[in-house]
Amino acid sequence: EAGVAQSPRYKIIEKRQSVAFWCNPISGHATLYWYQQILGQGPKLLIQFQNNGVVDDSQLPKDRFSAERLKGVDSTLKIQPAKLEDSAVYLCASSLALYGGAETQYFGPGTRLLVL
Amino acid sequence: DAKTTQPNSMESNEEEPVHLPCNHSTISGTDYIHWYRQLPSQGPEYVIHGLTSNVNNRMASLAIAEDRKSSTLILHRATLRDAAVYYCIRQGSNDYKLSFGAGTTVTVRA
Repeated sequence: EAGVAQSPRYKIIEKRQSVAFWCNPISGHATLYWYQQILGQGPKLLIQFQNNGVVDDSQLPKDRFSAERLKGVDSTLKIQPAKLEDSAVYLCASSLALYGGAETQYFGPGTRLLVL
Repeated sequence: DAKTTQPNSMESNEEEPVHLPCNHSTISGTDYIHWYRQLPSQGPEYVIHGLTSNVNNRMASLAIAEDRKSSTLILHRATLRDAAVYYCIRQGSNDYKLSFGAGTTVTVRA
């Protein structure tokens, strides 16, 4: 079974530039998550989709971050314009169902972003 | 709010057991305990989860206290590949997200 795919793996940009990350979840997984992980911290949820609808985007800085999952499969996360504090690893995860308890999330390798 | 407490770091020798404690004193009756780990330069990966009873799988064992206010992840024979950050997470049946804390950094000495 193929895992969660993300690209690119690394990206270096200058502040005020824009950047986009792509995620392909495990086939059949309805729920998709984007996390931000700053160095030395645990991942923090940015946005969560159930199929192509947004479940939770309360932690997403909407003035600069946007995300979409148009056909309920692949997803893109965009930052425009980027700030220095956006330097982090952006992780995508997927799971079969929405609600937790015994649900397992599967994570991709992440995209490491450096904003100069 | 991670809602769990873990030590910042632990060290172990290769091929010895590792016991990772987690405190979740405010846990509710329907909260599951999940453990994930994150190897260097990788995304987190699922290790094990449980509700009330002790659980075993090919990676580890999870021992849950009778009052469920704490649990212990047990790696039976640590290898160098087990060096990672281990996260203990509570998740209720109506929760839809994992709240990660800082986790425990495990170092394995050869």
